[in-house]
Amino acid sequence: AQTVTQSQPEMSVQEAETVTLSCTYDTSESDYYLFWYKQPPSRQMILVIRQEAYKQQNATENRFSVNFQKAAKSFSLKISDSQLGDAAMYFCAYRAIFGNEKLTFGTGTRLTIIP
Amino acid sequence: DAGVIQSPRHEVTEMGQEVTLRCKPISGHDYLFWYRQTMMRGLELLIYFNNNVPIDDSGMPEDRFSAKMPNASFSTLKIQPSEPRDSAVYFCASSITGAPHNEQFFGPGTRLTVL
Repeated sequence: AQTVTQSQPEMSVQEAETVTLSCTYDTSESDYYLFWYKQPPSRQMILVIRQEAYKQQNATENRFSVNFQKAAKSFSLKISDSQLGDAAMYFCAYRAIFGNEKLTFGTGTRLTIIP
Repeated sequence: DAGVIQSPRHEVTEMGQEVTLRCKPISGHDYLFWYRQTMMRGLELLIYFNNNVPIDDSGMPEDRFSAKMPNASFSTLKIQPSEPRDSAVYFCASSITGAPHNEQFFGPGTRLTVL
């Protein structure tokens, strides 16, 4: 079974600085998707960024980028120029490309932005 | 466009009562997912449907839980009888085959409290 691990329950960063959230996963599949979701206090789940395992290039969405290390099964999220609105829970998630459509989530990292 | 709609947004009930959570997926989406979020277990899939047919219900905790999807625009998750340990946020999500990464769009969630 696939597992996703987020080893940082909480992180904090000064406004305008850069922070990196860690995620590791375990799977026997060679092709899959990885995601980072943001959950603000409103509890709405918002997709931040996605990565296909078959792509070597790291995904980037504006201030958000990932460091995908397939061999190490690592998928970290870097937030540049942190803003107050980035404060939220961040969840790493895994989904197989073929077969089961379900998302497997990590336990989340609570990110605090210090003004 | 309306996103995934869930009702009610909050539900408070007493142990032993029947609880019904409702979900309207995004029009045209052929997958529907029910997830549960608790402090202890994080976010976990309960069940998902494809074209109104249950595909994976291995996450349904026990016989007290049941889910139905009578048509493409409506699904229910029922708990009977409810217990305090069922207190959680229940999310519904939907996706469409062929969309990039089959991205799942989440509803706002229903916060259930069982006293």
